[in-house]
Amino acid sequence: QVQLVESGGGLVKPGGSLRLSCAGSGFTFSDYYMIWIRQAPGKGLEWVSYISGSSSYSNYADSVKGRFTISRDNAKNSLYLQMNSLRADDTAVYYCARVGAYSYGCDHWGQGTLVTVSS
Amino acid sequence: QSALTQPASVSGSPGQSITISCTGTNSDVGNYKYVSWYQHHPGKAPKLMISDVSNRPSGVSNRFSGSKSGNTASLTISGLQAEDEADYYCSSYTTSTIWVFGGGTKLTVL
Repeated sequence: QVQLVESGGGLVKPGGSLRLSCAGSGFTFSDYYMIWIRQAPGKGLEWVSYISGSSSYSNYADSVKGRFTISRDNAKNSLYLQMNSLRADDTAVYYCARVGAYSYGCDHWGQGTLVTVSS
Repeated sequence: QSALTQPASVSGSPGQSITISCTGTNSDVGNYKYVSWYQHHPGKAPKLMISDVSNRPSGVSNRFSGSKSGNTASLTISGLQAEDEADYYCSSYTTSTIWVFGGGTKLTVL
C-alpha cells in the first residue's frame, strides 16, 4: 500500500537550517507531483511547496520563497525540503503528501515531522 | 496568497446534516474545479474526503458530498456520526500555480 514517511525534524536555532526527507513506497514515485504542507501549533494547514514528478516544475508559498528548496530523487523514491534561515514562525509539523494521479487533491499523506525553531 | 474563508466551527446532532462553506476568489475557487476537502483528526494525518469539487475517493463514505457555486465551495455531511467530529479544511489550486487552504472548520457532533 502507499506509504509516505517523513524524517529530519527537530529543534533548530533561529537562522539555522534543516533538511526534511519523505520516503515513498507502494507506488511509482516518479509519476506523481509531491507537496509539502505544514501546520503550526494551534493553527490550520498551510501549503508550502510542490514539485512535479520529473522535477521540471516547482513553486513555493510566499512565506518560504527564497529560504526553502524542494527537491526529489526518484531513484531513491524520496522527497526533500531544504529549509534555511529558519524563523520561529516556521515551527510546525511538516507533512509530505502525494497529489492524485487524476486530480489536484492530496490522496496520501505522511504522519508528519515536527520542526521547532527556538533559541 | 490569502487563505480561503471557512467558518471557525459548526455543530450538529447525530443523524443530522451539516454544510461547511469555503469562500475564495476568481483566482482560486471560482476559476477551477480543483477544490478538495480534508478531514483532520488531531495527531493523525489529514485524509482526503473530496477532490475536484465533488469527487469522492474510494473508501470515503457517501455521506460526504461536495459542490461549488461561483467563488464558494461547500462540503455537506449527512447522517452525522460521532466519528465525523474533526477539523475540516478546504483547498484550491490557484492561478498562481500554487495551492491555498482554508483556515479550517471544527466540527462538533453534539
